[in-house]
Amino acid sequence: RKEVEQDPGPFNVPEGATVAFNCTYSNSASQSFFWYRQDCRKEPKLLMSVYSSGNEDGRFTAQLNRASQYISLLIRDSKLSDSATYLCAVNPYNQGGKLIFGQGTELSVKP
Amino acid sequence: EPEVTQTPSHQVTQMGQEVILRCVPISNHLYFYWYRQILGQKVEFLVSFYNNEISEKSEIFDDQFSVERPDGSNFTLKIRSTKLEDSAMYFCASSLYETQYFGPGTRLLVL
Repeated sequence: RKEVEQDPGPFNVPEGATVAFNCTYSNSASQSFFWYRQDCRKEPKLLMSVYSSGNEDGRFTAQLNRASQYISLLIRDSKLSDSATYLCAVNPYNQGGKLIFGQGTELSVKP
Repeated sequence: EPEVTQTPSHQVTQMGQEVILRCVPISNHLYFYWYRQILGQKVEFLVSFYNNEISEKSEIFDDQFSVERPDGSNFTLKIRSTKLEDSAMYFCASSLYETQYFGPGTRLLVL
Protein backbone atom coordinates (compact mmCIF):
# COMPACT_ATOMS: atom_id res chain seq x y z
CA ARG A 1 0.00 0.00 0.00
CA LYS A 2 1.33 3.45 -0.90
CA GLU A 3 2.08 5.74 2.02
CA VAL A 4 -0.31 8.42 0.76
CA GLU A 5 -2.79 7.71 -1.97
CA GLN A 6 -5.24 10.00 -3.72
CA ASP A 7 -8.09 9.72 -6.18
CA PRO A 8 -6.37 9.61 -9.55
CA GLY A 9 -8.55 12.18 -11.34
CA PRO A 10 -8.72 14.20 -13.46
CA PHE A 11 -11.98 15.67 -12.25
CA ASN A 12 -13.76 17.77 -14.85
CA VAL A 13 -16.63 19.76 -13.35
CA PRO A 14 -18.76 22.73 -14.37
CA GLU A 15 -18.56 26.03 -12.57
CA GLY A 16 -20.66 26.02 -9.44
CA ALA A 17 -20.33 22.29 -8.87
CA THR A 18 -19.34 20.68 -5.59
CA VAL A 19 -16.39 18.32 -5.80
CA ALA A 20 -14.79 16.08 -3.20
CA PHE A 21 -11.33 14.57 -3.07
CA ASN A 22 -10.23 11.74 -0.82
CA CYS A 23 -6.80 10.73 0.36
CA THR A 24 -5.76 7.67 2.35
CA TYR A 25 -2.60 7.21 4.37
CA SER A 26 -0.95 4.04 5.62
CA ASN A 27 0.80 5.16 8.81
CA SER A 28 -1.76 5.20 11.59
CA ALA A 29 0.61 7.17 13.82
CA SER A 30 0.68 10.13 11.43
CA GLN A 31 0.40 13.42 13.23
CA SER A 32 -0.60 16.20 10.91
CA PHE A 33 -2.35 16.53 7.60
CA PHE A 34 -2.55 19.15 4.91
CA TRP A 35 -4.05 20.00 1.56
CA TYR A 36 -1.87 21.90 -0.86
CA ARG A 37 -2.74 23.31 -4.22
CA GLN A 38 -0.26 23.12 -7.08
CA ASP A 39 -0.63 25.05 -10.30
CA CYS A 40 1.20 23.81 -13.36
CA ARG A 41 4.98 23.79 -12.78
CA LYS A 42 4.67 25.90 -9.64
CA GLU A 43 5.28 25.23 -5.97
CA PRO A 44 2.75 23.59 -3.65
CA LYS A 45 0.78 26.33 -1.91
CA LEU A 46 -0.84 25.56 1.41
CA LEU A 47 -4.59 25.40 1.08
CA MET A 48 -5.42 24.27 4.57
CA SER A 49 -4.32 22.18 7.48
CA VAL A 50 -6.70 19.38 8.44
CA TYR A 51 -7.79 19.11 12.05
CA SER A 52 -9.39 16.18 13.83
CA SER A 53 -12.64 18.07 14.28
CA GLY A 54 -12.76 19.08 10.64
CA ASN A 55 -12.33 22.62 9.46
CA GLU A 56 -13.74 25.02 6.94
CA ASP A 57 -12.28 27.96 5.08
CA GLY A 58 -14.82 29.67 2.88
CA ARG A 59 -15.83 27.24 0.15
CA PHE A 60 -13.33 24.62 1.30
CA THR A 61 -13.99 21.99 3.96
CA ALA A 62 -11.45 19.44 5.16
CA GLN A 63 -12.21 16.35 7.21
CA LEU A 64 -10.00 13.81 8.94
CA ASN A 65 -11.05 10.27 9.78
CA ARG A 66 -8.28 8.73 11.87
CA ALA A 67 -10.07 5.41 12.31
CA SER A 68 -10.26 4.86 8.55
CA GLN A 69 -7.04 6.74 7.85
CA TYR A 70 -8.34 9.14 5.27
CA ILE A 71 -8.71 12.83 4.78
CA SER A 72 -11.05 14.62 2.44
CA LEU A 73 -11.41 18.00 0.80
CA LEU A 74 -14.74 19.38 -0.32
CA ILE A 75 -14.92 22.36 -2.64
CA ARG A 76 -18.30 24.03 -2.95
CA ASP A 77 -19.39 26.39 -5.73
CA SER A 78 -16.33 25.66 -7.88
CA LYS A 79 -14.71 28.57 -9.68
CA LEU A 80 -12.64 28.52 -12.84
CA SER A 81 -9.72 29.63 -10.68
CA ASP A 82 -9.98 26.42 -8.62
CA SER A 83 -8.53 24.51 -11.58
CA ALA A 84 -5.25 23.06 -10.27
CA THR A 85 -3.77 19.87 -8.85
CA TYR A 86 -4.67 19.21 -5.22
CA LEU A 87 -2.03 17.49 -3.14
CA CYS A 88 -2.66 15.63 0.06
CA ALA A 89 0.32 15.71 2.46
CA VAL A 90 0.88 13.78 5.67
CA ASN A 91 3.47 14.41 8.36
CA PRO A 92 4.26 11.15 10.13
CA TYR A 93 5.87 12.84 13.11
CA ASN A 94 5.25 16.35 14.33
CA GLN A 95 7.02 19.65 14.08
CA GLY A 96 10.01 19.42 11.80
CA GLY A 97 8.80 16.20 10.24
CA LYS A 98 8.87 15.53 6.54
CA LEU A 99 5.76 15.71 4.40
CA ILE A 100 4.76 12.66 2.42
CA PHE A 101 2.73 13.71 -0.59
CA GLY A 102 0.15 11.89 -2.62
CA GLN A 103 0.42 11.95 -6.37
CA GLY A 104 -2.17 14.72 -6.61
CA THR A 105 -5.63 14.98 -8.11
CA GLU A 106 -6.15 17.26 -11.05
CA LEU A 107 -9.25 19.43 -11.07
CA SER A 108 -10.49 21.21 -14.15
CA VAL A 109 -13.44 23.57 -13.72
CA LYS A 110 -15.17 24.43 -16.99
CA PRO A 111 -17.45 27.38 -17.75
CA GLU B 1 3.59 38.27 3.87
CA PRO B 2 6.96 36.54 4.37
CA GLU B 3 7.86 33.93 1.80
CA VAL B 4 10.53 31.44 0.92
CA THR B 5 12.72 32.51 -1.98
CA GLN B 6 14.93 30.38 -4.20
CA THR B 7 17.65 31.06 -6.74
CA PRO B 8 18.20 30.43 -9.54
CA SER B 9 14.76 29.81 -10.99
CA HIS B 10 16.30 27.70 -13.77
CA GLN B 11 19.64 25.94 -14.03
CA VAL B 12 21.01 24.00 -16.96
CA THR B 13 24.14 21.96 -16.36
CA GLN B 14 26.20 19.22 -17.92
CA MET B 15 26.23 15.74 -16.46
CA GLY B 16 28.99 15.40 -13.87
CA GLN B 17 29.01 19.09 -12.94
CA GLU B 18 28.35 20.41 -9.46
CA VAL B 19 25.34 22.62 -8.82
CA ILE B 20 24.32 24.64 -5.80
CA LEU B 21 20.71 25.57 -5.30
CA ARG B 22 19.99 28.40 -2.92
CA CYS B 23 17.09 29.15 -0.64
CA VAL B 24 16.21 31.86 1.82
CA PRO B 25 13.68 30.44 4.28
CA ILE B 26 11.15 32.55 6.17
CA SER B 27 13.18 34.43 8.75
CA ASN B 28 11.76 33.13 12.05
CA HIS B 29 11.39 29.54 10.88
CA LEU B 30 13.37 26.77 12.56
CA TYR B 31 13.02 23.80 10.22
CA PHE B 32 14.21 23.66 6.64
CA TYR B 33 13.59 21.11 3.92
CA TRP B 34 14.39 20.19 0.37
CA TYR B 35 11.96 18.32 -1.87
CA ARG B 36 12.11 17.45 -5.52
CA GLN B 37 9.51 16.78 -8.17
CA ILE B 38 10.40 14.98 -11.35
CA LEU B 39 8.15 16.04 -14.21
CA GLY B 40 4.81 14.27 -14.00
CA GLN B 41 5.59 12.68 -10.65
CA LYS B 42 4.78 13.45 -7.05
CA VAL B 43 6.67 15.75 -4.71
CA GLU B 44 9.34 13.73 -2.88
CA PHE B 45 11.11 14.53 0.37
CA LEU B 46 14.90 14.78 0.22
CA VAL B 47 16.15 16.13 3.54
CA SER B 48 15.19 18.08 6.63
CA PHE B 49 17.48 20.32 8.63
CA TYR B 50 17.20 21.68 12.15
CA ASN B 51 19.61 23.29 14.56
CA ASN B 52 22.42 23.21 11.98
CA GLU B 53 22.24 19.53 11.28
CA ILE B 54 20.33 17.05 9.14
CA SER B 55 17.41 15.63 11.07
CA GLU B 56 16.23 13.20 8.39
CA LYS B 57 17.12 12.25 4.84
CA SER B 58 15.50 10.02 2.27
CA GLU B 59 17.03 7.25 0.21
CA ILE B 60 17.32 9.70 -2.67
CA PHE B 61 19.65 11.90 -0.62
CA ASP B 62 22.83 9.93 -1.22
CA ASP B 63 26.49 10.97 -0.94
CA GLN B 64 26.15 13.18 -4.00
CA PHE B 65 23.88 15.54 -2.07
CA SER B 66 24.73 17.87 0.78
CA VAL B 67 23.02 20.73 2.56
CA GLU B 68 24.38 23.70 4.39
CA ARG B 69 23.21 26.76 6.21
CA PRO B 70 26.29 28.91 5.68
CA ASP B 71 24.91 31.99 7.42
CA GLY B 72 21.79 33.07 9.26
CA SER B 73 19.64 33.34 6.17
CA ASN B 74 20.68 31.00 3.34
CA PHE B 75 20.04 27.28 3.04
CA THR B 76 21.74 25.47 0.17
CA LEU B 77 21.50 22.13 -1.58
CA LYS B 78 24.60 20.95 -3.39
CA ILE B 79 24.67 18.14 -5.91
CA ARG B 80 28.30 17.18 -6.39
CA SER B 81 28.22 15.32 -9.68
CA THR B 82 24.90 15.66 -11.43
CA LYS B 83 23.26 12.80 -13.29
CA LEU B 84 20.61 12.92 -15.99
CA GLU B 85 18.06 11.61 -13.51
CA ASP B 86 18.65 14.60 -11.22
CA SER B 87 16.66 16.71 -13.68
CA ALA B 88 13.68 17.88 -11.66
CA MET B 89 12.10 20.79 -9.88
CA TYR B 90 13.73 21.34 -6.50
CA PHE B 91 11.64 23.00 -3.81
CA CYS B 92 12.89 24.44 -0.57
CA ALA B 93 10.45 24.69 2.33
CA SER B 94 10.55 26.01 5.85
CA SER B 95 8.39 25.74 8.94
CA LEU B 96 8.14 27.15 12.42
CA TYR B 97 6.22 24.11 13.64
CA GLU B 98 4.34 21.61 11.44
CA THR B 99 3.09 23.78 8.60
CA GLN B 100 5.55 24.00 5.74
CA TYR B 101 5.75 26.81 3.21
CA PHE B 102 7.37 26.22 -0.11
CA GLY B 103 9.57 28.38 -2.29
CA PRO B 104 8.94 28.80 -6.02
CA GLY B 105 11.47 26.13 -6.92
CA THR B 106 14.55 25.75 -9.10
CA ARG B 107 14.09 23.85 -12.33
CA LEU B 108 17.25 21.83 -12.88
CA LEU B 109 18.01 20.34 -16.26
CA VAL B 110 20.99 18.02 -16.58
CA LEU B 111 22.20 17.43 -20.13
